[in-house]
Amino acid sequence: SQQGEEDPQALSIQEGENATMNCSYKTSINNLQWYRQNSGRGLVHLILIRSNEREKHSGRLRVTLDTSKKSSSLLITASRAADTASYFCATVKGSKLTFGKGITLSVRP
Amino acid sequence: DTEVTQTPKHLVMGMTNKKSLKCEQHMGHRAMYWYKQKAKKPPELMFVYSYEKLSINESVPSRFSPECPNSSLLNLHLHALQPEDSALYLCASSQPDSYPYNEQFFGPGTRLTVL
Repeated sequence: SQQGEEDPQALSIQEGENATMNCSYKTSINNLQWYRQNSGRGLVHLILIRSNEREKHSGRLRVTLDTSKKSSSLLITASRAADTASYFCATVKGSKLTFGKGITLSVRP
Repeated sequence: DTEVTQTPKHLVMGMTNKKSLKCEQHMGHRAMYWYKQKAKKPPELMFVYSYEKLSINESVPSRFSPECPNSSLLNLHLHALQPEDSALYLCASSQPDSYPYNEQFFGPGTRLTVL
């Protein structure tokens, strides 16, 4: 079964706007990671947040984690056309990474 | 070198063929993974190798046979596949010693079509 469930499933925004993607999960985790995938190719790791962290920043990315609500959000600020991709949250338990269904982000120039 | 390479990029095979997918990394990672991804779906874990030993098999049919000949290489041997096995097969690696903070590095994938 899918551990992470992202919403929305598709998001279309204008270049320069911010994009917020949410992820919910069901069981306890060690950490939560976000990945990006362009056009059905390999995934690229974006950011990792540990279960004892609440917020983390990396460049234009901000991720939050609320373990009491079992949810995470990824914010991409000042979006660019190159940010167009599928985004997946992935929960980590032991050595297993379990991906959510993914969000398709389209950034219009 | 922070790259995971996979060959071939594309593979078309018949149901009676035997073929292999190859994955290589030179980052010194001691954990390697195979995932299967269908169109518009998330990757699904198939196998995990840790220190060249199979540690997780997610109930994958025996027509998929993984092999880890050394710490840099991971193979997936394919035999008697079905058309529903057509998918993108992704290899990944990570450093198990950094558990539980194990960022995985993915290869570009092999697009497999079974006729």
